[in-house]
Amino acid sequence: EAGVAQSPRYKIIEKRQSVAFWCNPISGHATLYWYQQILGQGPKLLIQFQNNGVVDDSQLPKDRFSAERLKGVDSTLKIQPAKLEDSAVYLCASRDAGLAQYFGPGTRLLVL
Amino acid sequence: ILNVEQSPQSLHVQEGDSTNFTCSFPSSNFYALHWYRWETAKSPEALFVMTLNGDEKKKGRISATLNTKEGYSYLYIKGSQPEDSATYLCAPGGAQKLVFGQGTRLTINP
Repeated sequence: EAGVAQSPRYKIIEKRQSVAFWCNPISGHATLYWYQQILGQGPKLLIQFQNNGVVDDSQLPKDRFSAERLKGVDSTLKIQPAKLEDSAVYLCASRDAGLAQYFGPGTRLLVL
Repeated sequence: ILNVEQSPQSLHVQEGDSTNFTCSFPSSNFYALHWYRWETAKSPEALFVMTLNGDEKKKGRISATLNTKEGYSYLYIKGSQPEDSATYLCAPGGAQKLVFGQGTRLTINP
């Protein structure tokens, strides 16, 4: 069974630029999560989708972050414009009806 | 917002030694506790999902215990090997949402 795919794996941009990350979950997983992991901290949930609907985006900085999952399968997370403090690993995870979440390898973003 | 504490934050262990670390979380409204292992440049890997007080789970040389009444879980590694070097994350949470601790970074010295 293929795991969660993410791209790109690494990205370096300058502040005020835009960036987008892509995630393809495990086939059949209805729930998809985006997390932000800043160095020295645990992953923090940004947004949770159930199929193509948003379940929880309470910690998403909506002035600069947006995410979509239009067809209920893959998802994109966008930052526009980026700030220095957005430097982090962005993890995507998916879940079926069980409790365990399955993670992708993440995108490491560096904002200069 | 749940306050999840993991200790120690980092740990260096000699190859062959055994080690353990702790995850503390609020005991009220407990639903489940997840442990993940995250090796550098790889995906976080689910180790255990624990739901019952007194639960003990084992996977090879790694085991975990759970005390929901006092709000803690221990992760044990027996006979550490270099491939055990990783960050170990715990995350209590409900059916939908997990709240992660900051992790314990384990380094095994050959």
